[in-house]
Amino acid sequence: DVKVTQSSRYLVKRTGEKVFLECVQDMDHENMFWYRQDPGLGLRLIYFSYDVKMKEKGDIPEGYSVSREKKERFSLILESASTNQTSMYLCASSFGGETTEAFFGQGTRLTVV
Amino acid sequence: GQSLEQPSEVTAVEGAIVQINCTYQTSGFYGLSWYQQHDGGAPTFLSYNALDGLEETGRFSSFLSRSDSYGYLLLQELQMKDSASYFCAVSPYSSASKIIFGSGTRLSIRP
Repeated sequence: DVKVTQSSRYLVKRTGEKVFLECVQDMDHENMFWYRQDPGLGLRLIYFSYDVKMKEKGDIPEGYSVSREKKERFSLILESASTNQTSMYLCASSFGGETTEAFFGQGTRLTVV
Repeated sequence: GQSLEQPSEVTAVEGAIVQINCTYQTSGFYGLSWYQQHDGGAPTFLSYNALDGLEETGRFSSFLSRSDSYGYLLLQELQMKDSASYFCAVSPYSSASKIIFGSGTRLSIRP
């Protein structure tokens, strides 16, 4: 089975802190994604990566950056956390190409206080 | 740009049939997928329509009509465990690796 693992299930951080969310997948997938999920807004794409060191902005990249130094690992970075970044963050991965079958991690509930 | 619109909530009775619609405004995409997410869980892939028409997988079927910019997920013989949120998703021609999701539909099943 494909496994996508997010480093933390729950996080509480202070405003202004630099926050790292880590995601690891074990199926050699080319594509990896970071979404945030808020009630009524669905899954909004923050960033995605289609290869090591390659990344593209999604629909809501402001305030975030990403890093993909190894194929299996994709990190989301909040440069200076703010309260409006309190949310559920979901990592996903998929095979290369146009497939839309993605496999998700369990999510990280981030609270910024 | 791309946008996928879904009804925010649908309620149905156990044993009945329900249809969840997805209308889209996008310049072109490879296919339409559906995902299920239970409360507190991760989204899981349900189905994929690369071509127009109906795809059936057990109690669930999915339909796509590119000419009508429309798709739907059909759930038959509803069970209480089908209570969940359902999302449609596409990968646009402009960026094949990208996956964008609709706003999601919360399905509630009544006994």
